[in-house]
Amino acid sequence: AQSVAQPEDQVNVAEGNPLTVKCTYSVSGNPYLFWYVQYPNRGLQFLLKYITGDNLVKGSYGFEAEFNKSQTSFHLKKPSALVSDSALYFCAVKDSSASKIIFGSGTRLSIRP
Amino acid sequence: GAVVSQHPSRVICKSGTSVKIECRSLDFQATTMFWYRQFPKKSLMLMATSNEGSKATYEQGVEKDKFLINHASLTLSTLTVTSAHPEDSSFYICSARDFSEINSPLHFGNGTRLTVT
Repeated sequence: AQSVAQPEDQVNVAEGNPLTVKCTYSVSGNPYLFWYVQYPNRGLQFLLKYITGDNLVKGSYGFEAEFNKSQTSFHLKKPSALVSDSALYFCAVKDSSASKIIFGSGTRLSIRP
Repeated sequence: GAVVSQHPSRVICKSGTSVKIECRSLDFQATTMFWYRQFPKKSLMLMATSNEGSKATYEQGVEKDKFLINHASLTLSTLTVTSAHPEDSSFYICSARDFSEINSPLHFGNGTRLTVT
């Protein structure tokens, strides 16, 4: 069975500071990992994915995520937060042999000016 | 990039009526589409997997007679909420993958806010 956990309901960061949104996963095979962002009353927008290759993945809007196999984590990061980054962030995982993508419970990111 | 269009964005209906939500892949073919329901505390629940030309696969606990899914073409899936009740009020989101692109991520529609009065 596959699962994904986002341990933080909310993350608060001052503008200009680095941000991290945590994600851990569990799959039986090789993991395909994704991050999505959701703005109010909108669908989810794809940010980045890890399938294979370099553990550090760069995505949209200056976001990046690091795949850590030993810790089964895929934390989302950004060196310098913007107020416009305030949104709901979802981590998702798919086992390489599965058809469904499983989403975490979401983390609300709030960037204060 | 791949675009998924969802319509309507908002709908208000009376209890007992049915509501149809459309999900279209605009620039790619989607043999499979997914329907999600998002609850107020933000969690995203997969309701069903819509398969072009065949029956949808529903997740456990989702009533297939209540939430009718039709996927008649490679670019269109519809979700009909039948005999809607206030507890069906929610944010419904569809998504699709471009299977011509290896390891394609899911692309999401902008969601439909359903309010049943």
